[in-house]
Amino acid sequence: EMQLVESGGGLVQPGRSLRLSCIGSELTFRNYWMHWVRQAPGKGLVWVSRINSDGSLTSYADSVKGRFTISRDNAKSTVYLQMNSLRVEDTGLYYCARGGGSLESWGQGTLVTVSS
Amino acid sequence: EIVMTQAPLSSPVTLGQPASISCRSSESLVHSDGNTYLSWLHQRPGQPPRLLIYLVSTRFSGVPDRFSGSGAGTDFTLRISRVEAEDVGVYYCMQATQLGTFGQGTKVEIK
Repeated sequence: EMQLVESGGGLVQPGRSLRLSCIGSELTFRNYWMHWVRQAPGKGLVWVSRINSDGSLTSYADSVKGRFTISRDNAKSTVYLQMNSLRVEDTGLYYCARGGGSLESWGQGTLVTVSS
Repeated sequence: EIVMTQAPLSSPVTLGQPASISCRSSESLVHSDGNTYLSWLHQRPGQPPRLLIYLVSTRFSGVPDRFSGSGAGTDFTLRISRVEAEDVGVYYCMQATQLGTFGQGTKVEIK
């Protein structure tokens, strides 16, 4: 099973930017759609964004559209989430997950805290 | 945006007894390709979610057969035939027919 490891989280002020990374352990990384899902402390799961296997198709939740950008580098087995104009409500644990119609494999998450 | 509504939000269960969770979508989850992208996930405290069921009723690799999924269109159900101690945690339904949406989660705990 492909392992996924997220990084790039941290404490950031409102209005600033952060880039998350997620690296996959398998050479077949390039075959899979990838997603970002976030979870605020003590709350439920919220789908954020997805990208298809070659990076040509991307989708976003309304709450992040225009502020977040998902991308991938299959040569590095890595998917990214560029987060701009961060808001307090963007705080949470950000997971990357592999899959198309279902999320089969998840990383451990990276924590993003947006606070002044 | 498709809204997913789960019930109940909390479910105290007795070990060895069955449990079921309902998930209702605000629109039909039948995709134009004919598939229904409704899945169920389980999250234990401090851990990432793990996939249990996909395409409404297909168990993911390694998932015990006490878990089953059913439903169609807008109404779906996850059933646990005999609850075991390791089944505690929060269960989420998720649709991926139109972007992605999760239900609010149902917390399963032992009485």
